[in-house]
Amino acid sequence: KAGVTQTPRYLIKTRGQQVTLSCSPISGHRSVSWYQQTPGQGLQFLFEYFSETQRNKGNFPGRFSGRQFSNSRSEMNVSTLELGDSALYLCASSLAAWVTGSNTEAFFGQGTRLTVV
Amino acid sequence: AQTVTQSQPEMSVQEAETVTLSCTYDTSENNYYLFWYKQPPSRQMILVIRQEAYKQQNATENRFSVNFQKAAKSFSLKISDSQLGDTAMYFCASPSAGTYKYIFGTGTRLKVLA
Repeated sequence: KAGVTQTPRYLIKTRGQQVTLSCSPISGHRSVSWYQQTPGQGLQFLFEYFSETQRNKGNFPGRFSGRQFSNSRSEMNVSTLELGDSALYLCASSLAAWVTGSNTEAFFGQGTRLTVV
Repeated sequence: AQTVTQSQPEMSVQEAETVTLSCTYDTSENNYYLFWYKQPPSRQMILVIRQEAYKQQNATENRFSVNFQKAAKSFSLKISDSQLGDTAMYFCASPSAGTYKYIFGTGTRLKVLA
């Protein structure tokens, strides 16, 4: 069974550009979450999607957006890149629909390392 | 609000020795799960072990076990017979059903010394 696939693995962009990151979840998983990981801030939640609906968004500016397609694949977009956006972006998929107390194990991709210069 | 706290930024242990990583949490949910994830230098987050709050028995997975103290809201990870491949960042985490996200601790960087 294929794991969570994130593309690309590495990206170098210039300030002011925009970038799109892709995440293909494990087959059958409908919940996809995105996290930003930096040495100073740790893992910060960006957003979560389920059946093409964004159910929660973290405390990030509007330059960060995302979407989920009918096949559960998800993309996130960052516009007008800033140096501070340099980070590892992790995608996680899970099977459960976040029922309270559910065994909502997250399966992570290898991440996309974004460097903004 | 749900919180997860890891108070040990870095730890080291000699190969074959035992090490314990600490985690405390707070939650308003009645039933919940707690996870330990490992992130080696390859960056892939891997689930190490999970614990359901309603189960009194501490979870065990080979060399990894937890000490779950529900009243104290403590969830520590014990690694026995440490191996060089255990060198990684370890994150304590809990899913927050109300907000559809995982709450992560800040991580503990573990280095296993030969």
